[in-house]
Amino acid sequence: DAGVTQSPTHLIKTRGQQVTLRCSPKSGHDTVSWYQQALGQGPQFIFQYYEEEERQRGNFPDRFSGHQFPNYSSELNVNALLLGDSALYLCASSFGGSSYEQYFGPGTRLTVT
Amino acid sequence: GESVGLHLPTLSVQEGDNSIINCAYSNSASDYFIWYKQESGKGPQFIIDIRSNMDKRQGQRVTVLLNKTVKHLSLQIAATQPGDSAVYFCAENGGAQKLVFGQGTRLTINP
Repeated sequence: DAGVTQSPTHLIKTRGQQVTLRCSPKSGHDTVSWYQQALGQGPQFIFQYYEEEERQRGNFPDRFSGHQFPNYSSELNVNALLLGDSALYLCASSFGGSSYEQYFGPGTRLTVT
Repeated sequence: GESVGLHLPTLSVQEGDNSIINCAYSNSASDYFIWYKQESGKGPQFIIDIRSNMDKRQGQRVTVLLNKTVKHLSLQIAATQPGDSAVYFCAENGGAQKLVFGQGTRLTINP
């Protein structure tokens, strides 16, 4: 049973650049949620994708955007990177557009210099 | 607004003892709660969940208790082992699709 996978594992970018992170959900899941986790903090909800649409969004600026593909995988894009965007970006998958039984991937560590 | 908080940021227990990690929540609309374990450099690992129509649920060596009257959630780990060392997060769904996480409690096991 394939779990949630994310790529890349680590990424270093410069302020002002753009980044794309990728996620494949757990086998049998069709919903992907993205979270940002700053060092020493709990994860913060960015948005959720279900049926290739953004279903709900947290308190993040429009620089954060996403996409879901027909195979349920998802991308998170961040434009005009700021130093404060440095964090662990987590992808969680679930079924049917719900928040129930969300399983997380290993995350992508983004460092903005 | 929604908030999930933890009473203690750190907890240190002896190996073999039972651990109890507490969590307070504020959103009465929350109907689903989850406990996650996060080891250093890894993503949160699902431990156990509970819906608001229950007050107790047991898993392997873990029990979650929900007290809706005082909006309190706890995770009990029986016979704590060195591998249980991690940061533990509680999360609630606030009646919506997103999960709201607390700050986390770091559990340290003493030999």
